[in-house]
Amino acid sequence: DAKTTQPNSMESNEEEPVHLPCNHSTISGTDYIHWYRQLPSQGPEYVIHGLTSNVNNRMASLAIAEDRKSSTLILHRATLRDAAVYYCILNFGNEKLTFGTGTRLTIIP
Amino acid sequence: GAVVSQHPSRVICKSGTSVKIECRSLDFQATTMFWYRQFPKQSLMLMATSNEGSKATYEQGVEKDKFLINHASLTLSTLTVTSAHPEDSSFYICSARSREPGNTIYFGEGSWLTVV
Repeated sequence: DAKTTQPNSMESNEEEPVHLPCNHSTISGTDYIHWYRQLPSQGPEYVIHGLTSNVNNRMASLAIAEDRKSSTLILHRATLRDAAVYYCILNFGNEKLTFGTGTRLTIIP
Repeated sequence: GAVVSQHPSRVICKSGTSVKIECRSLDFQATTMFWYRQFPKQSLMLMATSNEGSKATYEQGVEKDKFLINHASLTLSTLTVTSAHPEDSSFYICSARSREPGNTIYFGEGSWLTVV
């Protein structure tokens, strides 16, 4: 499995943008970059995914480096409900998803 | 996004009994489903990969005779914890792979199992 590296924890003030980094230096050409988040006592929630180009959806934006060795999940305006553990995962075809420790995001009111 | 539903969300069972957890993909067909277990303050640990119409593939260290997985249709997979013990108490989460570009995997809400 291609591995990802994320900071263990981050803090952000409410209503400010949040940039969550992820390094994946061993990514292969066919790996998609997926982001999930998990709130306490819930299953992971899909956030966004991309391959090469930056992606936007109603929840977040995903900025992918030109060499694809890193990516950044952007929450444009953090709310208290965005406090969760965020996982950056590489996924291709029928491979299983392997979770790392993720980034625990704390939102400060 | 696609919806995956688990049932029950919480279950308490007596030690030595068996309990079944269902996982359904509600609006898409899933040829592959995954079962995870998560202990408090830890990450998700993959237990097994379930393919429709064939035997599940278990991760190393997971007892296939204790955690029975059945994937009888393209929308349903079940996990049965047999002869449950208190150490089996955990949060069990299923997921299903979609067929959209990127093969996004969607997760159920999770099932809390408490063995007393």
